[in-house]
Amino acid sequence: GDSVTQMEGPVTLSEEAFLTINCTYTATGYPSLFWYVQYPGEGLQLLLKATKADDKGSNKGFEATYRKETTSFHLEKGSVQVSDSAVYFCALIPGARGNTGKLIFGQGTTLQVKP
Amino acid sequence: DARVTQTPRHKVTEMGQEVTMRCQPILGHNTVFWYRQTMMQGLELLAYFRNRAPLDDSGMPKDRFSAEMPDATLATLKIQPSEPRDSAVYFCASGLAGAYEQYFGPGTRLTVT
Repeated sequence: GDSVTQMEGPVTLSEEAFLTINCTYTATGYPSLFWYVQYPGEGLQLLLKATKADDKGSNKGFEATYRKETTSFHLEKGSVQVSDSAVYFCALIPGARGNTGKLIFGQGTTLQVKP
Repeated sequence: DARVTQTPRHKVTEMGQEVTMRCQPILGHNTVFWYRQTMMQGLELLAYFRNRAPLDDSGMPKDRFSAEMPDATLATLKIQPSEPRDSAVYFCASGLAGAYEQYFGPGTRLTVT
């Protein structure tokens, strides 16, 4: 079945360091891909999305490119801040039969940014 | 600032008791999702509704869980009887059919002792 695999955390970085969180997926057809972020004690928020191959999603300095050939959607940021400390979830919505809205999540990666 | 609201935010109950969680989706949203988050299983979709009709509840244990939308402004998730393994954070999310973004509530943290 469809699934998402993320790199295990926690990822600990110093402020202004470069961030990469790896995400790969398994899906039939052409899924839509997402990154959600969860701050402590809160619900998830959509960070960025890409709905077709080679699309680049971007928001708040974060970027991810939909790579169909490698089935990947890695999250990157050039310079992290302490306020970026959170749990990041990669997710997909299967592409078959249109957009059902059913998100399939990876396990989440905790990011800790130290001053 | 439109938000999804969930009540209660925290619930501690004893095994065997009934638990009801409530969700108010964003006004105008016609799709509502229930998710469960645990350390072991991560985020799992339990059920979802479109225009108040259940579309998929295959992720939900049928013998003890039930989900309903009595009206467009209220979704409920009920567990009866509750068990310790139900301890988790339960999230409600809402969105518009055909759109990709889901708006999550703050969650209900359930502890069953």
